[in-house]
Amino acid sequence: SQQGEEDPQALSIQEGENATMNCSYKTSINNLQWYRQNSGRGLVHLILIRSNEREKHSGRLRVTLDTSKKSSSLLITASRAADTASYFCATDASGGGTSYGKLTFGQGTILTVHP
Amino acid sequence: GAVVSQHPSWVICKSGTSVKIECRSLDFQATTMFWYRQFPKQSLMLMATSNEGSKATYEQGVEKDKFLINHASLTLSTLTVTSAHPEDSSFYICSARLVNGDTQYFGPGTRLTVL
Repeated sequence: SQQGEEDPQALSIQEGENATMNCSYKTSINNLQWYRQNSGRGLVHLILIRSNEREKHSGRLRVTLDTSKKSSSLLITASRAADTASYFCATDASGGGTSYGKLTFGQGTILTVHP
Repeated sequence: GAVVSQHPSWVICKSGTSVKIECRSLDFQATTMFWYRQFPKQSLMLMATSNEGSKATYEQGVEKDKFLINHASLTLSTLTVTSAHPEDSSFYICSARLVNGDTQYFGPGTRLTVL
C-alpha cells in the first residue's frame, strides 16, 4: 500500500485564498518531500523537510512535519491561478545501500485555483 | 538547477514491439536514477532503482525481463519496455539524485501508448 495518504483528494479555492494539503505516512522517515505536477508533465520539487525539522518555508510555501503523528502539511498562501496542479508528498524511508533515496509517493491532491 | 531530460516525450507503438526510453542528467552526475510509472489520475509508483555500473534493483511485482534497465554512465539510464502490450501504456518518469544529495530531480516524462 502507499506510504503516503493525502487529503483532501481535491481542493478548489479562489485566487488569494490559502490552500492546505495534508499527508500522512506509516513508517519512520529520513525526510519528506513535496512535489508539484502540472497535468501530463513531470514533477517539480518544491521543498524537503528532514525528520529532525518541524517547519520550513520557501516563498509562499510553508511545510510542517509532525513525526509523532506521522503527518505533514503543505500550505500555499495567497494562491494564484498558476498554482493549479497536483501536489504530491513523498517520503524517503530508506536505510541506505541500494535502497538509498527511494521515494514513496502519496496519492496526491488536485488543487484548482479559480481566478 | 539540476536538469533531467527524457527522450522521447511520447511514443506510440504496436503491440509486441520494444520501446527504449532514455533518461539523462544534463548538468550533473547521477550515480542513482529511479524509474516510475504513473497511470492516469494516479500517483507515481516506483518501478526500479538504477545504479551506475551495476544491476538495477526492481520493486516487487515489476518484471525485470520485461522492463530492462541499463545505467551505463553517470548521466544516462535507459528503460526498455520489451514486447509491449496495451496494459503497458502509461506515463514513465525518471528521476536522478545528486551524489550525496537528498533531492531527486525528475524528468518531464514519456507517455507510452501501445496499440
